[in-house]
Amino acid sequence: GAVVSQHPSRVICKSGTSVKIECRSLDFQATTMFWYRQFPKQSLMLMATSNEGSKATYEQGVEKDKFLINHASLTLSTLTVTSAHPEDSSFYICSARDPGHTQYFGPGTRLTVL
Amino acid sequence: EDQVTQSPEALRLQEGESSSLNCSYTVSGLRGLFWYRQDPGKGPEFLFTLYSAGEEKEKERLKATLTKKESFLHITAPKPEDSATYLCAVLISGNTPLVFGKGTRLSVIA
Repeated sequence: GAVVSQHPSRVICKSGTSVKIECRSLDFQATTMFWYRQFPKQSLMLMATSNEGSKATYEQGVEKDKFLINHASLTLSTLTVTSAHPEDSSFYICSARDPGHTQYFGPGTRLTVL
Repeated sequence: EDQVTQSPEALRLQEGESSSLNCSYTVSGLRGLFWYRQDPGKGPEFLFTLYSAGEEKEKERLKATLTKKESFLHITAPKPEDSATYLCAVLISGNTPLVFGKGTRLSVIA
């Protein structure tokens, strides 16, 4: 099946620093990419939708200045958590939709902010 | 409002005890219905896409079916390695995000 990669898989940072997470679709061109976060034992929560070359569409309650999304190409999207704080600690998962509308998920990135 | 409901929330089976998970949906349009499996600490793994009522797909011990109102994920003779959370999601139109159910947490006991 199609593969979506994320890097890094785990990151620990100090409060106030910024963290960038990369998401790549390895064997298809993604028409749209999505970013989710997930708290322990809870459902996926959509943060934003991004299309290549366009500004991301953020869900209500998600701070666009805090969670910067760049969708530079049809195979790469990045999420930057700016000035991270402990409450931003979470599991972040990206997802890419192929031209046939099937959506594949990355393995996730565990962010811990100290 | 578009809604996807999964039942049961949790299911505990003995190894070899077949069962079904349910995903019912009330949506304004259906471009596709997706089933995923998610293990703890990992991203969801794609299992199936179903596009129209009457469609069925199989993969190993799993079989997904679709009607106009719901989908079933049948698990035949499950093994402990089938333990995971199974997620159902609906695509309403090509550009919109998936609408997810809350998932069914399956435990298969040896």
